[in-house]
Amino acid sequence: EVQLVESGGGLVQPGGSLRVSCTGSGFTFSDYWMNWVRQAPGKGLEWVANINEDGNEQAFVGSVRGRFTMSRDNARNSLYLQMNNLRAEDTAMYYCVRDLSGGSCSWGQGILVTVSS
Amino acid sequence: QSVLTQPPSASGTPGQRVTISCSGSSSNIGKKTVNWYHHLPGTAPKLLIHTSNQRPSGVPDRFSGSQSGTSASLAISGLQSEDEADYYCAVWDVSLNGFVFGPGTKVTVL
Repeated sequence: EVQLVESGGGLVQPGGSLRVSCTGSGFTFSDYWMNWVRQAPGKGLEWVANINEDGNEQAFVGSVRGRFTMSRDNARNSLYLQMNNLRAEDTAMYYCVRDLSGGSCSWGQGILVTVSS
Repeated sequence: QSVLTQPPSASGTPGQRVTISCSGSSSNIGKKTVNWYHHLPGTAPKLLIHTSNQRPSGVPDRFSGSQSGTSASLAISGLQSEDEADYYCAVWDVSLNGFVFGPGTKVTVL
């Protein structure tokens, strides 16, 4: 069974940093593009970033470019999102998503990140 | 403000057909195929349709997608109470170099 489990969320002050992780199981992690998608309270889904199979191609939504970085460790079946200079508007549920636009799409349950003083 | 437009809500009675539209532009729907996601608040979203009209295994054939020009649509036939959820279209935008989601459509079964 395909599973994606996010971890590392929590409360952080504005301007602070946080790293969220996603561990995949039940599939060959290194075969897939991976994504982060978020949903702020009361808002819709927003794509944040993606990374290709070997980690050398990434793309980010404009609002996080320069503040967030994304990486993966295929040996550990893990995906990471390093979030720096966090703002209140980054408060959201962050979802790890395999193959966002393909037939093998699978979503994690999400992890909550709250940016507040 | 999303680059994709969806109606905020849609509704129907059990058994009816409901259609949700998704309007974009030449830099997204006009060049790439659209995906549709189902989301029940508090749960993980789920892919309903990929590559414009393809259903992943396990998705009932009551759900169908189509795409033409700079628009796409999702149809739900034989509406059921469990179809009450938020529905999002999404597509890669070549100008923004990223995925964009529509604002979502809340489907209510009357």
